[in-house]
Amino acid sequence: NAGVTQTPKFQVLKTGQSMTLQCAQDMNHNSMYWYRQDPGMGLRLIYYSASEGTTDKGEVPNGYNVSRLNKREFSLRLESAAPSQTSVYFCASKGQGATGNQPQHFGDGTRLSIL
Amino acid sequence: GENVEQHPSTLSVQEGDSAVIKCTYSDSASNYFPWYKQELGKGPQLIIDIRSNVGEKKDQRIAVTLNKTAKHFSLHITETQPEDSAVYFCAASPPGTYKYIFGTGTRLKVLA
Repeated sequence: NAGVTQTPKFQVLKTGQSMTLQCAQDMNHNSMYWYRQDPGMGLRLIYYSASEGTTDKGEVPNGYNVSRLNKREFSLRLESAAPSQTSVYFCASKGQGATGNQPQHFGDGTRLSIL
Repeated sequence: GENVEQHPSTLSVQEGDSAVIKCTYSDSASNYFPWYKQELGKGPQLIIDIRSNVGEKKDQRIAVTLNKTAKHFSLHITETQPEDSAVYFCAASPPGTYKYIFGTGTRLKVLA
């Protein structure tokens, strides 16, 4: 099993360009998440999808859109990239367990630079 | 709003010594507390987790303790090794939500 796969691993964009970050998981998880990680600020939630067909805003949704394409795939789109969106983006997924909350499983990230 | 404070932000220890990282959460309803290790260029990996009905959990050299009254939990690493060097994140999750609240991370350096 590959777990959570993110593409691309690296990307450089110019201000104003658009881009979609892809994420897929093969663990049959219901919930999926997008985070950004900036130095000294930990992981901040951008959007999440509790289950297929639903999406909700997280802590820092401005400038982003998401699509839960199917149970496996959850994409993050930057419509008009800005330098403030330079960051490392992580996708995660989580299953539902009978014993309560479950761990999130992370991909290895997309390193995005906006010039 | 919901918040998790994590201390220290950096920690250096000699190989073989113990390391302790502490987190305090604000939402008393939180009932699930995972710890993640992030190596350079990689995503966070779960190393241990604890639920609110348990006070302590151990897995080889790693242990987590939870004090629900004080709303804090700690990660303990014994007999540290150079490969323990990484950034560690704590998180708290209230029941009935899909979200985690993450701490800001601790950079652990184990000196050989």
